[in-house]
Amino acid sequence: EIVLTQSPGTLSLSPGERATLSCRASQSVSSSYLTWYQQKPGQAPRLLIYGASNRATGIPDRFSGSGSGTDFTLTISRLEPEDFAVYYCQLYGGSFYTFGQGTKLEIK
Amino acid sequence: EVQVVESGGGLVKPGGSLRLSCATSGFTFNLAWMTWVRQAPGKGLEWVGRIKSKGSGGTTDYAAPVKGRFSISRDDSRNTLFLQMNSLKTEDTAVYYCTNVEDNIHWHLKYWGQGTLVTVSS
Repeated sequence: EIVLTQSPGTLSLSPGERATLSCRASQSVSSSYLTWYQQKPGQAPRLLIYGASNRATGIPDRFSGSGSGTDFTLTISRLEPEDFAVYYCQLYGGSFYTFGQGTKLEIK
Repeated sequence: EVQVVESGGGLVKPGGSLRLSCATSGFTFNLAWMTWVRQAPGKGLEWVGRIKSKGSGGTTDYAAPVKGRFSISRDDSRNTLFLQMNSLKTEDTAVYYCTNVEDNIHWHLKYWGQGTLVTVSS
């Protein structure tokens, strides 16, 4: 079973700052199958990045994804007030999906 | 416009059963592989299971905690997905989301409903 570990658990930053969120897989995975979601309180998750680095439709270009092998990163270049939320990475494993435990991005 | 609307949640006693529905529109449902994802109160996201399109065999896969108790089915004539939940446990308490698998290259989950809350409690 592949485990995704996200870090940090909570990230406290101010609007305008740069955010770097990490997702580490317990074994090497295909970057094609790595996805990032954003979830705000009381809302469903929203697709942000798929294939490790492809922005979904309508996602601002301040969001970017990178990585390969076991280490993946979601970067928000300049935080806007609406970016404070919980972020999840997810892996497709052929016959299953697995999620990381999430990183909460909070306003400092 | 794509719409995904879950329904059927509610309060059920441990050991009981519940059937969730997910009505969709705005995309070609009969070609879509569909999944259920759940989220326990205050917790993270957990994949529940998946059903392939009938053209791909219509087979299902389930997460270990629900295998043998939950069953996913689909009615392509009604563009609707179902989740039959039997032998419910308190740890099945969660918001259940219905999502589509967007493509067979990246396999990401694109369209999400607002979720339906299932509470398992005596």
